[in-house]
Amino acid sequence: DQQVKQNSPSLSVQEGRISILNCDYTNSMFDYFLWYKKYPAEGPTFLISISSIKDKNEDGRFTVFLNKSAKHLSLHIVPSQPGDSAVYFCAASARTGTASKLTFGTGTRLQVTL
Amino acid sequence: DAGITQSPRHKVTETGTPVTLRCHQTENHRYMYWYRQDPGHGLRLIHYSYGVKDTDKGEVSDGYSVSRSKTEDFLLTLESATSSQTSVYFCAIQGGGTDEAFFGQGTRLTVV
Repeated sequence: DQQVKQNSPSLSVQEGRISILNCDYTNSMFDYFLWYKKYPAEGPTFLISISSIKDKNEDGRFTVFLNKSAKHLSLHIVPSQPGDSAVYFCAASARTGTASKLTFGTGTRLQVTL
Repeated sequence: DAGITQSPRHKVTETGTPVTLRCHQTENHRYMYWYRQDPGHGLRLIHYSYGVKDTDKGEVSDGYSVSRSKTEDFLLTLESATSSQTSVYFCAIQGGGTDEAFFGQGTRLTVV
């Protein structure tokens, strides 16, 4: 049972436009959400996160929105740049004891075209 | 960048042989994790550690064991490798009080 879902395997966006990546979750115990970016042959790199007590977090060109009632979050990248082309993973955390194990979605491959 | 080193980076092994992957960190972080990445599945947690000699199972732990005898090293062992364990394995570390995990470069394991 996939607790974190990214229903769009791929997305193509023109340079300079907005990229919107979506993520849905089913576990109400998740209290922290993260986005990771992954280039081929590299490990995932942390991009941005949001606590369940907030509905928006912004960091430069990247903004994450959280809609708890809909169990939905989205990552907005504006303006999109060719270097943003990568696979983006949504992840969610529910604390077990003191460890925060991450549950990942299946990823969305973003291609930013010139 | 977080100081995480995975070794080896690539390995090809035969079915039935034991394999050990190593994760080494220089950040003195308490928590360490092993994930595998497969097409259509994202990253799935295999095992994690919350301190020296303290480990627990993740979502896909069958066929894997781990050990952590020092803060800086977290070993993942496939006792008898199977073709279904062909995957890319990532180690991650996480400090206390934060949910952000930092990943190593990965180990591509092929079981033939």
